[in-house]
Amino acid sequence: QVTLRESSPALVKPTQTLTLTCTFSGFSLNATGMSLSWIRQPPGKALEWVALIDWDDEKSYSTSLKTRLSISKDTSKNQVTLSMTNVDPMDTATYYCARTRGGFLDFWGQGTQVTVSS
Amino acid sequence: DIQVTQSPSSLSASVGDRVTITCRASQNIATYLNWYQQKVGEAPRLLIYSSSILQRGVASRFRGSGSGTDFTLTITSLRPEDFATYFCQQSYTSPLLSFGGGTKVEI
Repeated sequence: QVTLRESSPALVKPTQTLTLTCTFSGFSLNATGMSLSWIRQPPGKALEWVALIDWDDEKSYSTSLKTRLSISKDTSKNQVTLSMTNVDPMDTATYYCARTRGGFLDFWGQGTQVTVSS
Repeated sequence: DIQVTQSPSSLSASVGDRVTITCRASQNIATYLNWYQQKVGEAPRLLIYSSSILQRGVASRFRGSGSGTDFTLTITSLRPEDFATYFCQQSYTSPLLSFGGGTKVEI
């Protein structure tokens, strides 16, 4: 059974660094072809793909956000961490992690709500 | 970047209706197009991948079609549990991905 769960602080101040963690089970991020993505959704708005890490530790980032992002994995803990520097109120969103295979996202976590406010 | 445009942004329908949602890519993406359903307060759920392949466990009333730049998600007979927002997503530029703006299906 594949499960994913996101965790993060609920409130972050502008200019701070936001760290999100995805803890997963039921699959291995070491398996060839396996990836994990982060996606975010501002309140009432569309989904936005943010970042991805592959089984071979290749990392990919949204063009508009890449200067502020860093993604990493700890396969021993079945965790993926996303860091976003210099956050702004526009980064307020629900952040999801999702297993990614062949470019589609077949299992999603429940999401974690992050508010950026002073 | 490849832009993905959905239409309409919202629609009203009744139980039993046939519903069609369109997704248009800004360039040829072959069949690298996936569809998701999102209910209020829930995470998205994969319905269809590679334009027309039904994800395991998804009802057969959901059908995807298209290739190149124009794609369609059809719900052949709308059920009460299908009232939700639907998103398309292109994976032609994988690992860089992008979503459409969404279509809200409401009563």
